Amino acid sequence: SQTIHQWPATLVQPVGSPLSLECTVEGTSNPNLYWYRQAAGRGLQLLFYSVGIGQISSEVPQNLSASRPQDRQFILSSKKLLLSDSGFYLCASTGTGFGGSIYEQYFGPGTRLTVT
Amino acid sequence: SQKIEQNSEALNIQEGKTATLTCNYTNYSPAYLQWYRQDPGRGPVFLLLIRENEKEKRKERLKVTFDTTLKQSLFHITASQPADSATYLCALVGSARQLTFGSGTQLTVLP
Repeated sequence: SQTIHQWPATLVQPVGSPLSLECTVEGTSNPNLYWYRQAAGRGLQLLFYSVGIGQISSEVPQNLSASRPQDRQFILSSKKLLLSDSGFYLCASTGTGFGGSIYEQYFGPGTRLTVT
Repeated sequence: SQKIEQNSEALNIQEGKTATLTCNYTNYSPAYLQWYRQDPGRGPVFLLLIRENEKEKRKERLKVTFDTTLKQSLFHITASQPADSATYLCALVGSARQLTFGSGTQLTVLP
């Protein structure tokens, strides 16, 4: 089965500083990849998704960006963080259809970002 | 725009009883609907997927129904246990398999 790695696990950054969160996936190839954010006490919001290398779709206008330089690597970035960027960031990958549905998503352990 | 609502933010039930969680959606006709479990500080874990042409799906003590006329899904946990305490999320599946999540229902099973 798939394993999603995310780092760092926690991050405290000042307003205006840059951000780079990395996600890597093991145990699959050519997955769809997703970045979600969960603000405190709220549901998960889809930020970006990618169906292939270099292909990024944005769901919500914001000061964040995403890139997919390799098949199983997904990066979330910002040039200047805002207070409202605080939250729990989750990377997810779709199933392969082997031993599970292609529609189910596997989530990483998440990065808790606090912008101060 | 599409909207997905989970009616109860929190639900407390006694151990051994059946928990029923509700998910309603508007402005969308999903081919698939999913349910996930999320524990505090962790990512969601997939539980069940139901297709639009399926009325009901079961997995062990879990049962999901999907009524495309009412635009509603019900999620049942029978013989509930304290270990079932968690937040349960419903999600609609988009064309790129991206998920639109409801806000979740926090279930507490009391011993």
